[in-house]
Amino acid sequence: QKEVEQNSGPLSVPEGAIASLNCTYSDRVSQSFFWYRQYSGKSPELIMSIYSNGDKEDGRFTAQLNKASQYVSLLIRDSQPSDSATYLCAVFFDTGGFKTIFGAGTRLFVKA
Amino acid sequence: SQTIHQWPATLVQPVGSPLSLECTVEGTSNPNLYWYRQAAGRGLQLLFYSVGIGQISSEVPQNLSASRPQDRQFILSSKKLLLSDSGFYLCAWGRGSTDTQYFGPGTRLTVL
Repeated sequence: QKEVEQNSGPLSVPEGAIASLNCTYSDRVSQSFFWYRQYSGKSPELIMSIYSNGDKEDGRFTAQLNKASQYVSLLIRDSQPSDSATYLCAVFFDTGGFKTIFGAGTRLFVKA
Repeated sequence: SQTIHQWPATLVQPVGSPLSLECTVEGTSNPNLYWYRQAAGRGLQLLFYSVGIGQISSEVPQNLSASRPQDRQFILSSKKLLLSDSGFYLCAWGRGSTDTQYFGPGTRLTVL
């Protein structure tokens, strides 16, 4: 059974701080990893994808992947109140059948 | 660029009534298509996915069905709604070897 796990939170950080969101997955046969942001009442939007070990930066967002530890994280620098949302981790497992599994999400609150 | 549409945006239906939700994608061909349901405060539950016209895979046995009559059209249906069918219904399209998924705006369904 493939699983993607996230701490449900809520994670509360002050404005301007770094928010760190974590995700673990159960199966080593995985190639691609995604972070989605979902505002309350809205649909998820893709913010980052990462495919190889290490860091990938896009503006204030940095995704970090460690396949040996089966761990992917998202760092948000200079957090803003507008970053307050639920962040979903998704993992693409290339083992046949339906391949992408979503975590339940971590709620982030950025306090002004 | 690609665009995904869903309608209606909101729907209130009595128990036992039929349901039809529609999703269309523009700007791409032969996408993978998905229906998800998200209950209040919960994660994404995959309902159906399709890799081509007329090809539907069901992930969760229930009173819902899906059809793909055209390449970029995906329909979710029910003959008789249950109270437990209430939720936020999301259509997504995916592409590429990593199945990067993009979500539509969603339909909020309330069954009374």
